[in-house]
Amino acid sequence: EDQVTQSPEALRLQEGESSSLNCSYTVSGLRGLFWYRQDPGKGPEFLFTLYSAGEEKEKERLKATLTKKESFLHITAPKPEDSATYLCAVQSSNSGYALNFGKGTSLLVTP
Amino acid sequence: DTEVTQTPKHLVMGMTNKKSLKCEQHMGHRAMYWYKQKAKKPPELMFVYSYEKLSINESVPSRFSPECPNSSLLNLHLHALQPEDSALYLCASSQDRGRSSASFTDTQYFGPGTRLTVL
Repeated sequence: EDQVTQSPEALRLQEGESSSLNCSYTVSGLRGLFWYRQDPGKGPEFLFTLYSAGEEKEKERLKATLTKKESFLHITAPKPEDSATYLCAVQSSNSGYALNFGKGTSLLVTP
Repeated sequence: DTEVTQTPKHLVMGMTNKKSLKCEQHMGHRAMYWYKQKAKKPPELMFVYSYEKLSINESVPSRFSPECPNSSLLNLHLHALQPEDSALYLCASSQDRGRSSASFTDTQYFGPGTRLTVL
């Protein structure tokens, strides 16, 4: 059965303090790993899709990387507006259409 | 444009009411999804439509009834709900180029959600 574990559960950073969020996964035949950002009471906002180990993608202050066992979401010089819950999800050869989500990392960036 | 719209934003209903949630996308996507999300939890898949046909029903109670009138619209009809059904209901869509292929995947784009409260 596919498993996705995100750490830490919660992270508090000062503005400008760079850090990384982790997403560890165990799947049979990874088809894609997805990162989403979710603000309270709103739908998940798509950030990145990674398909194979070694792949990296960047968008503004965010950079996502993928290995055969885990993915990292690096946040460089975060700003208060980066505060949100970051969700990792995987799709495997067993899961069909379904996304298997981790429980998320709640990020708070203080001024 | 990667926009999925949902109406209404908020819905309060009694246990005897019948209501519907609506979702629309104009990205030409052929797969559409309903998810349920409880507070502090990740989204849980409820239904998947592929090319307007119900592809997946994740053992959802019959008081939830999905409908896909055309490739751009997705409805969720609600009847005789329970207070524990209160949640954020999310719609999503994807291209479905691989028709759920074991070797291909499409990104799912989510709408803003409908906050449902059942009294």
